[in-house]
Amino acid sequence: GDSVTQMEGPVTLSEEAFLTINCTYTATGYPSLFWYVQYPGEGLQLLLKATKADDKGSNKGFEATYRKETTSFHLEKGSVQVSDSAVYFCALNSPPLGATNKLIFGTGTLLAVQP
Amino acid sequence: ETGVTQTPRHLVMGMTNKKSLKCEQHLGHNAMYWYKQSAKKPLELMFVYNFKEQTENNSVPSRFSPECPNSSHLFLHLHTLQPEDSALYLCASSQAGASYNEQFFGPGTRLTVL
Repeated sequence: GDSVTQMEGPVTLSEEAFLTINCTYTATGYPSLFWYVQYPGEGLQLLLKATKADDKGSNKGFEATYRKETTSFHLEKGSVQVSDSAVYFCALNSPPLGATNKLIFGTGTLLAVQP
Repeated sequence: ETGVTQTPRHLVMGMTNKKSLKCEQHLGHNAMYWYKQSAKKPLELMFVYNFKEQTENNSVPSRFSPECPNSSHLFLHLHTLQPEDSALYLCASSQAGASYNEQFFGPGTRLTVL
């Protein structure tokens, strides 16, 4: 079945460092890919998404490119801030036609940014 | 109110209690979801409702009983829970039918079962 694999955390970085969180997926068909972020004490928020191969999603300085050839959707940010400390979830969605969307999540990666 | 709201935000209950979690979405979506988020475990999809009809039940114990009276409201009725049911319960909504439609999440209800 479909699945998402994320790098295990925690990832600890200093402020202004470069961030990469790896995500690879297995899916039949043509999934859409998502990154969600969960700040302490809150629900998940959509960070960015990409719906077809070679699409790049971007938001708040974060980017991820849908790579079909490597089945990957790695999250990157050039310069992290303390406020980026959160748990990041990679997810995919590839419902059969007409079916309800069902997101399949990775296990989440905790990012801790130190001043 | 905007987005997806959940009440209560925190709930402490004994194993013999009966309580309900409420979720409301103000986004005009037609699908709603319950997830369970436990420490050190992946996010678990519990139930899916599409146009008020339950389309998915991921082998959830019968002590959890969902109810979806309309496309905007979703409940999770709880009875005779176990301590291992303590977790963050997240509600989400989306437009069904296209894989590019993201889900919007509420802030969650932090449940503690004593």
